[in-house]
Amino acid sequence: AQSVTQLDSQVPVFEEAPVELRCNYSSSVSVYLFWYVQYPNQGLQLLLKYLSGSTLVKGINGFEAEFNKSQTSFHLRKPSVHISDTAEYFCAVITIQGAQKLVFGQGTRLTINP
Amino acid sequence: EAGVVQSPRYKIIEKKQPVAFWCNPISGHNTLYWYLQNLGQGPELLIRYENEEAVDDSQLPKDRFSAERLKGVDSTLKIQPAELGDSAVYLCASSLGGQGLTKNIQYFGAGTRLSVL
Repeated sequence: AQSVTQLDSQVPVFEEAPVELRCNYSSSVSVYLFWYVQYPNQGLQLLLKYLSGSTLVKGINGFEAEFNKSQTSFHLRKPSVHISDTAEYFCAVITIQGAQKLVFGQGTRLTINP
Repeated sequence: EAGVVQSPRYKIIEKKQPVAFWCNPISGHNTLYWYLQNLGQGPELLIRYENEEAVDDSQLPKDRFSAERLKGVDSTLKIQPAELGDSAVYLCASSLGGQGLTKNIQYFGAGTRLSVL
């Protein structure tokens, strides 16, 4: 079975600073990878995805992530954050074959301070 | 295009009472999911439907939880009777299903926040 570890439960940063949210996964088979964002009292919104091709993927709101197969990581980055980026971020994986069950990490709370 | 629609957004009930949540997926999406999200945690799958068939309900506590998707479109999740520990957010998601890389991309509704007193 696959699993996801988000290494930081909370990340506080100042506005306009860069940020990296870390995600590592474990799986015995190939996976697809996702980042979702959850604003307060809302559902999950797809931020970006890695399905195939270039390992550097760009998403909405200026976020990007890089798939590193050898390190089994899929870290999320943004070069300059805004107050509106304050939210909970979830990394998730799904196996390409087999059970195809989407498994989420515990989430990282990103807090942007002025 | 409308997204995944869930209702109600909030529900407060007393323990031992029944409760039901409703979900309408994105038009054309064959696969529908119900997730449970406890406070401070990521969502966990309860049940997955392919059209009207429940193909993965291994994590659904069947003694008190039930779900249906009779016509392969909208779905209802029910808890009877509710317990204090059921307080959580219940999320519905849908995906295209079928073949291709995009079949697994899941789109989520806003969720129903349940409080059991």
